[in-house]
Order: sequence, then structure tokens, then C-alpha cells
Amino acid sequence: GESVGLHLPTLSVQEGDNSIINCAYSNSASDYFIWYKQESGKGPQFIIDIRSNMDKRQGQRVTVLLNKTVKHLSLQIAATQPGDSAVYFCAENNYGQNFVFGPGTRLSVLP
Amino acid sequence: SAVISQKPSRDICQRGTSLTIQCQVDSQVTMMFWYRQQPGQSLTLIATANQGSEATYESGFVIDKFPISRPNLTFSTLTVSNMSPEDSSIYLCSGKEGSTEAFFGQGTRLTVV
Repeated sequence: GESVGLHLPTLSVQEGDNSIINCAYSNSASDYFIWYKQESGKGPQFIIDIRSNMDKRQGQRVTVLLNKTVKHLSLQIAATQPGDSAVYFCAENNYGQNFVFGPGTRLSVLP
Repeated sequence: SAVISQKPSRDICQRGTSLTIQCQVDSQVTMMFWYRQQPGQSLTLIATANQGSEATYESGFVIDKFPISRPNLTFSTLTVSNMSPEDSSIYLCSGKEGSTEAFFGQGTRLTVV
């Protein structure tokens, strides 16, 4: 289930299940979105991106969905593995400038 | 994407002192940024490092506290000046080329005592 921790909301899933991480972005003019994965002690790592002219993009085991009407982004991870345990951030970009990061979600994969 | 190296990876500093963090990219990039990430929180942009000119700071961050240099398209430094315990955080350097993803260094974990 999903709960709000001390700082980051946490999503706990069983190994092998699918995970869905959600993000509400703030700027309706944003035209480019990225999901990052951050493991403990490391910098954010690119997972998948999507541009505003698309509503879905698939990668290896990951899918990003974009709903511009409600300014919502989601990351779906298929067959979640222990190595997927990390903090996931969405980030939005407006016309090539800096990225603005969402609050993050901690994904915990249960054995 | 390019690889970013940050130095130091971590440091423990006395309050009132300053620390300079170095960021080296293995290829030229158009844009470089410095972010701060406080424990258990998201990334907050400090400033955009501009090559050959003064950095562009976000609201709440000032040049006197966080002076930034960017002498060329592959290197930047961030100095955290006159440190206090509230400056304890992870500082992240980021690079970006055109309308593509931003890539990050591993971060510098700073503890001020």
C-alpha cells in the first residue's frame, strides 16, 4: 500500500507485482518530462522520458503515461524486482531550461 | 549521456568555514546546474552555472552564500560559504545538452558541525 512517511511517501509492493508511481506536475507549459531513479548515496539516474506531444511511452519493463488535461504523470514498472527499490522522482522541463523535480516516492519491494 | 564527476564525495566541515565542490563533465555541455537535496527530500535548484558569466540564482539562493564558477563548458565549482549546520545537505551537479535529459553526478554529502 501507499503511505506518507517522515518525508517521502512510500509505496510497498510484492516482488513480481507491477508498481505504479504517480506524480502531479505544476506547469501546464512544461513540454518534456522525465522519471529519475535515485538509489541511496547516488545521484538521480534517468529511467524514461516523454514529450508533451505523446501520452504514452514504453521502455524495458517501464511505461510512462502523461495526462496533460489533469497535469499527471505516472510510471509503471512491470514485474518489480528488489533492485527497483529506490526513490523515484518525476521532473518537468519548460522549453529547454532547468528541470523542476517532484517530491519523490520511495518504492520498497517486499520479498 | 556524459559522465559527471564530483569532488569531494563527502565532507565534514566546521561551521563558519567554506567548502568548494568541483564538477567535471567528460564532454562539453551547454548547460550546467547545481541542486541541493536535503535529507529525505527532493532536489531544489540553486542556480544555473553560466559559462563565462555570473550564475543565475533561484529564489532563496544568493551569490554571496553560494558563489559559482564556470570557466568552460566542462567544469564548474560551487562554494558553500560561511557554513552552518543548516547547510548540511547533498549538493548535486547536473549537465544538460539541448532538449534532452539532465544527467547528474553522484553528489557531495556535506555535514556541518
